[in-house]
Amino acid sequence: QSVLTQPPSASGTPGQRVTISCSGSSSNIGSNTVNWYQQLPGTAPKLLIYRNNQRPSGVPDRFSGSKSGTSASLAISGLQSEDEADYYCAAWDDSLNGLVFGTGTKVTVL
Amino acid sequence: EVQLVQSGAEVKKPGESLKISCKGSGYSFTSYWIGWVRQMPGKGLEWMGIIYPGDSDTRYSPSFQGQVTISADKSISTAYLQWSSLKASDTAMYYCARCYVVRGVILLLDYWGQGTLVTVSS
Repeated sequence: QSVLTQPPSASGTPGQRVTISCSGSSSNIGSNTVNWYQQLPGTAPKLLIYRNNQRPSGVPDRFSGSKSGTSASLAISGLQSEDEADYYCAAWDDSLNGLVFGTGTKVTVL
Repeated sequence: EVQLVQSGAEVKKPGESLKISCKGSGYSFTSYWIGWVRQMPGKGLEWMGIIYPGDSDTRYSPSFQGQVTISADKSISTAYLQWSSLKASDTAMYYCARCYVVRGVILLLDYWGQGTLVTVSS
């Protein structure tokens, strides 16, 4: 069972800005860093954002992350068709002593 | 270039055993933890456990403790995930990933394997 809650879907037209939320608690997001993973259709997940707001080399700067309290957000600005994918947040949970993933958000480009 | 290459798809019957693999290259295999993640059909990601190939220190998610065994052979830079008796509910895609762990806390999974699809059906 996922302890990080995300909206099941989000959508936008090309060029728009889309934001995905990730809601947790004091034992996970509230006390540990958040990562975001992008899973394109039929492929393995890929690290998109780490340590709340850092982009790995090669990730476009239109992807950005933020964290406040027990919630985090992923923003995609200048939405492109190739951004259609599932997006997952993740964080360590001190109470469960394990890594927890969000429920996942499917982004559709209209 | 860091690469994790997993073994191919498997079709098994309930009750059979299985061991799938994940071979690392392009980095020091014994210096990073390897984790396993399950994705059931049409569902999200679930962390199963991690292993440090350097000394085989292994940690399991409580949800998977006793259900699977994680191991590694550092001489061939390969990690394994195995089942002694498969169930239909084990049908899923399984991913390995290189993990960055500090003081027992998984900070991130930075490189992922391509996934191994396991189908369990009578």
